[in-house]
Amino acid sequence: EVQLLESGGGLVQPGGSLRLSCAASGFTFSSFAMNWVRQAPGKGLEWVSAISGSGDRTYYADAVKGRFTISRDNSKNTLYLQMNSLRAEDTAVYYCAKGRSSYASSYGMDVWGQGTTVTVSS
Amino acid sequence: DIQMTQSPSSLSASVGDRVTITCRASQGISNYLAWYQQKPGKVPKLLIYAASTLQSGVPSRFSGSGSGTDFTLTISSLQPEDAATYYCQNYKSAPLTFGGGTKVEIK
Repeated sequence: EVQLLESGGGLVQPGGSLRLSCAASGFTFSSFAMNWVRQAPGKGLEWVSAISGSGDRTYYADAVKGRFTISRDNSKNTLYLQMNSLRAEDTAVYYCAKGRSSYASSYGMDVWGQGTTVTVSS
Repeated sequence: DIQMTQSPSSLSASVGDRVTITCRASQGISNYLAWYQQKPGKVPKLLIYAASTLQSGVPSRFSGSGSGTDFTLTISSLQPEDAATYYCQNYKSAPLTFGGGTKVEIK
């Protein structure tokens, strides 16, 4: 069974850092792009970042560029999101999602994790 | 950046109705468009990719069409389990933006 399990969310103060992880199973991890998508309370979906299957190409939303870094360890079947200089507006549920292709543009996201909650507050 | 605009933002329809949701891209994206369904409290689910290709396991009452800048998601006969918010997404170029969503309610 294809599965994605996020971890690492929590409460952090403004300006702080957090590292999210997404453990993948049930598919050949290195063959597919991966994404982070977030959803603020009561709001719509916001795409955050994507990484190609090999890890050589990354994309970011303007709102997080320069503060967040996406990475992956294909030997551990794990996706990461390093979040620095966190702001209140980064408060959201963060989902990892598997792309349909190896390209960072992903061609759609066909498997989603259950999400991990990040709260930025003093 | 490509902006994705959905309309309407919400709608209410009866079981059996034909429902159409529109998504417009601020510039041409060919058919690099996906549609997702998110039920309350649940994880998003991929319905359609390449603007019109149904994801495996998705009921055939769902269909997508369009190319370039204008796209539609159609539910041919609305069912109670279709109550959800629907999102389009551009994957032609980064940022891979979502539309604002369309909430579908059952009368």
